[in-house]
Amino acid sequence: NAGVMQNPRHLVRRRGQEARLRCSPMKGHSHVYWYRQLPEEGLKFMVYLQKENIIDESGMPKERFSAEFPKEGPSILRIQQVVRGDSAAYFCASSPGEETQYFGPGTRLLVL
Amino acid sequence: EDQVTQSPEALRLQEGESSSLNCSYTVSGLRGLFWYRQDPGKGPEFLFTLYSAGEEKEKERLKATLTKKESFLHITAPKPEDSATYLCAVQAKGYSTLTFGKGTMLLVSP
Repeated sequence: NAGVMQNPRHLVRRRGQEARLRCSPMKGHSHVYWYRQLPEEGLKFMVYLQKENIIDESGMPKERFSAEFPKEGPSILRIQQVVRGDSAAYFCASSPGEETQYFGPGTRLLVL
Repeated sequence: EDQVTQSPEALRLQEGESSSLNCSYTVSGLRGLFWYRQDPGKGPEFLFTLYSAGEEKEKERLKATLTKKESFLHITAPKPEDSATYLCAVQAKGYSTLTFGKGTMLLVSP
């Protein structure tokens, strides 16, 4: 059973560009979570989605950030007009219900 | 607001030298406490879930315990391959999201 997959693993963007991060949950998992890890900081919750629905986006900045989990295809975290402060590791996790979350390998975003 | 504090921030052990990592938490109502292991450049790897005070779980050289205010991750006779950052997280009742501590970086020397 394949684990949570994320791509790309590394992403370099210049200030003002858009970043698109993709997450494919484990087979049979319908719950997807996005977390951000800044250097020297712990993992911080951003958004929780189920198929076609955003359940909780309380940790996601109101501007420039958006997330979706369509009926078909991976979940996508989109960051518009990136700034240097967006440089971080972004992790996706999935679960079959509201229990143990399994994490992907992460996408390391570097904004130049 | 839920809070998780892990100590120590870093721990250096000799191979075979047992020790414990601490995770103190405050949460409105605990649904579950989770331990993960994270290697450099990788995502967190699930280790344990604890649900109620007094519960214990074991896996190889690791044992996790839970009280009403804290959890311990005991490492017995560690090996160099146990070197990693260990993360603790809580999940509050009625919520699905996790609140993480900053982690304890463990280094086991041969």
